[in-house]
Amino acid sequence: AQSVTQLDSHVSVSEGTPVLLRCNYSSSYSPSLFWYVQHPNKGLQLLLKYTSAATLVKGINGFEAEFKKSETSFHLTKPSAHMSDAAEYFCVVRTFGNEKLTFGTGTRLTIIP
Amino acid sequence: EPEVTQTPSHQVTQMGQEVILRCVPISNHLYFYWYRQILGQKVEFLVSFYNNEISEKSEIFDDQFSVERPDGSNFTLKIRSTKLEDSAMYFCASSPSRDSYGYTFGSGTRLTVV
Repeated sequence: AQSVTQLDSHVSVSEGTPVLLRCNYSSSYSPSLFWYVQHPNKGLQLLLKYTSAATLVKGINGFEAEFKKSETSFHLTKPSAHMSDAAEYFCVVRTFGNEKLTFGTGTRLTIIP
Repeated sequence: EPEVTQTPSHQVTQMGQEVILRCVPISNHLYFYWYRQILGQKVEFLVSFYNNEISEKSEIFDDQFSVERPDGSNFTLKIRSTKLEDSAMYFCASSPSRDSYGYTFGSGTRLTVV
């Protein structure tokens, strides 16, 4: 079985300050973990992915995430928020050998000017 | 950059009517998927498709749903007799292999059943 929990449904930060979006996962076997972003009226865009290589993963637009097995976490961070980062973010898990992706409930990120 | 294209972007249909959602996956991808997102809820897996047959499907994907790859480029999702609860955003995705790390998603079709 696989599941993800996104701990915050809504996060607001001021432009230029750090972003932290939290995600915990559950997987019966070695997981692949992803963060996807969805801008209004747009599709799901892959931000970054963890696939059992380096535990610190760098993605697009300055985002990164750290896989912590002991904490079963995969939190998404960015040092300095930009107005264009305002969107819905989804943490996603896939167990090796399982085709389907399991999504979290999403975190809406609002950037305050 | 290659894209997955979905049409239409928004479809309104009457309850009980059949609807077909269309997708053009990335040309060299072999695995195809449909997901849906009911407003305010999680994105949920519906079905995966490979080599012209369903490889996995969820409990949601009952007899009212079917998928087809009618030609070399399109991948369709048909709902035979739509219900109000079928109203959702439907996402198509494709990947080059089974163990590909992440799919490419389309921009979605918003289906509204009235």
